[in-house]
Amino acid sequence: QVQLVESGGGVVQPGRSLRLSCAASGFTFSNYVMHWVRQAPGKGLEWVAVISDDGSNKYYADSVKGRLTISRDNFKNTLYLQMNRLRPDDTAVYYCVWGLGHWGQGTLVIVSS
Amino acid sequence: QAVVTQEPSLTVSPGGTVTLTCGFSTGAVTSGHSPYWFQQKPGQAPRTLIYETNNKYSRTPARFSGSLLGGKAALTLSGAQPEDEAEYYCLLSYDDARPWVFGGGTKLTVL
Repeated sequence: QVQLVESGGGVVQPGRSLRLSCAASGFTFSNYVMHWVRQAPGKGLEWVAVISDDGSNKYYADSVKGRLTISRDNFKNTLYLQMNRLRPDDTAVYYCVWGLGHWGQGTLVIVSS
Repeated sequence: QAVVTQEPSLTVSPGGTVTLTCGFSTGAVTSGHSPYWFQQKPGQAPRTLIYETNNKYSRTPARFSGSLLGGKAALTLSGAQPEDEAEYYCLLSYDDARPWVFGGGTKLTVL
């Protein structure tokens, strides 16, 4: 059974950093592309970033380029999102998505002073 | 920058058929854009219904189908059920620099 469990969300001040994690199980993590998708309160879905199976290729939405970094540890079956220089408009539920087919339950990040 | 367009809202009668569409501001949607469709109910994480234009997961109800229609990606619901009332999002692959873009979503009401 596929499980994607995000963690690391919380309340953070503007300009600070946060690292999200997504623990994956139930599939061969190292064989698949992984995505982060976010959803601001009351808004639609926004694709954030994608990483290749071996971590060598990464792509980002323009809105997060240079501030958010996707990475993975295939030994720990874990996906990460390092979030730097956070802004209030980064406030959202962040979802980890396996190959665009399976979604975690999300972790809420609130950027506020 | 390309924008992915969806109908903001649609209404369908129980048992009826409705088609949701997904367009690109820069031109026609093709299979090369690898259209995906997602369903999201209030308070829940999204779930994927259709991948790469018209492929279903084993968990996707048979009443949902994907296609290309008139230069857009389309999601057709045949025989709508009350539980199909939800927000539906499409996702298109754009280019190497910005590989994926969501549409704004369609709020589907079954009434």
